[in-house]
Amino acid sequence: RKEVEQDPGPFNVPEGATVAFNCTYSNSASQSFFWYRQDCRKEPKLLMSVYSSGNEDGRFTAQLNRASQYISLLIRDSKLSDSATYLCVVTLLANQAGTALIFGKGTTLSVSS
Amino acid sequence: NAGVTQTPKFRVLKTGQSMTLLCAQDMNHEYMYWYRQDPGMGLRLIHYSVGEGTTAKGEVPDGYNVSRLKKQNFLLGLESAAPSQTSVYFCASGARAGDYNEQFFGPGTRLTVL
Repeated sequence: RKEVEQDPGPFNVPEGATVAFNCTYSNSASQSFFWYRQDCRKEPKLLMSVYSSGNEDGRFTAQLNRASQYISLLIRDSKLSDSATYLCVVTLLANQAGTALIFGKGTTLSVSS
Repeated sequence: NAGVTQTPKFRVLKTGQSMTLLCAQDMNHEYMYWYRQDPGMGLRLIHYSVGEGTTAKGEVPDGYNVSRLKKQNFLLGLESAAPSQTSVYFCASGARAGDYNEQFFGPGTRLTVL
């Protein structure tokens, strides 16, 4: 089983729509969780961290369910500029030197006018 | 503040040739990483470094070597390139900050091995 699994999509939505991405991870020892965004032919960039209590940043809301080993990202009022690939990322060790990121393959979002 | 830079941006090699990819960061980060990204595979860790003079293997280290002689630089070497090494290579760096482990990525190097 792949360590981090995501629905690759693509998700094609109109502007203003609400869209949700899901991600599951296999290692229950995973400690830190993130959503990264990657534009076409560009480098990944951190979108937001994900906490057990849930966190919100403007139109973006991330949730973590440790019991189900499940992470979600909700985007409200989608904009054309939200079109990108969203990468679900986990790390096994928090606050540890050399902790590498384990990436999902990404979910592609296309927002149209 | 340039962040993470990578050179070259593009390169075409013939099978068996060697090359070195250079990564530089100006954020005084201790940790640096090399990833490769292939279609349908996601990003995979090749090698990483937890400080000047140290390196360690990641998920897919075979065929690559690395060096971290200076804190700000992390070099990735291909001694004898193979077509299977055609990929996009990303360097990243990160700092220790509680349990927040954001990594900053360079713009990538697109390598084709013929």
